[in-house]
Amino acid sequence: AQSVSQHNHHVILSEAASLELGCNYSYGGTVNLFWYVQYPGQHLQLLLKYFSGDPLVKGIKGFEAEFIKSKFSFNLRKPSVQWSDTAEYFCAVNARGSARQLTFGSGTQLTVLP
Amino acid sequence: EPEVTQTPSHQVTQMGQEVILRCVPISNHLYFYWYRQILGQKVEFLVSFYNNEISEKSEIFDDQFSVERPDGSNFTLKIRSTKLEDSAMYFCASRSDRGPAEAFFGQGTRLTVV
Repeated sequence: AQSVSQHNHHVILSEAASLELGCNYSYGGTVNLFWYVQYPGQHLQLLLKYFSGDPLVKGIKGFEAEFIKSKFSFNLRKPSVQWSDTAEYFCAVNARGSARQLTFGSGTQLTVLP
Repeated sequence: EPEVTQTPSHQVTQMGQEVILRCVPISNHLYFYWYRQILGQKVEFLVSFYNNEISEKSEIFDDQFSVERPDGSNFTLKIRSTKLEDSAMYFCASRSDRGPAEAFFGQGTRLTVV
């Protein structure tokens, strides 16, 4: 069975600080990897995804993530956060080549102080 | 941009009552999902639906739950005899059957059982 670990439950940063949110997964096969964001009162929105190819993927709003296969990791990064990035961030995986459901991490609440 | 819509946005119900949560997936999508998120916890998979039948379900999805696609557009989750612990945000998602597409989520229905 798949599992996803997000190590940071709550991260507090000042504006312009750099961000890195950790995500590690456990699965015996090949996976698709996702980061979703949930702004207060809103639905889950896809930030970025990795299916194959270049392990460094760029998403919306200046976010990027790097897939490191040897570490089973897919950390989310942003060089300079803004107050509007305050939200909850979820890492998720599903098995490659299927329409199987997503397995989510527990989420990281990011608070950016103005 | 096409989106998944869910109604109602908030439902309050008495314990023991039945509720139906409604979702309109994106029109050309063929895979449908329900997830839930209990306050402060991770997003959990409930059920996936394809070709008019359940393709997978989690251990959470017991006999109390059922899903239906009553017409060409709606996808519903029925919870019979609700319990206090069913209080959660329920998310519907859909995805295309073409390629390694990501799931698109609705804005969620907050169910409060009192």
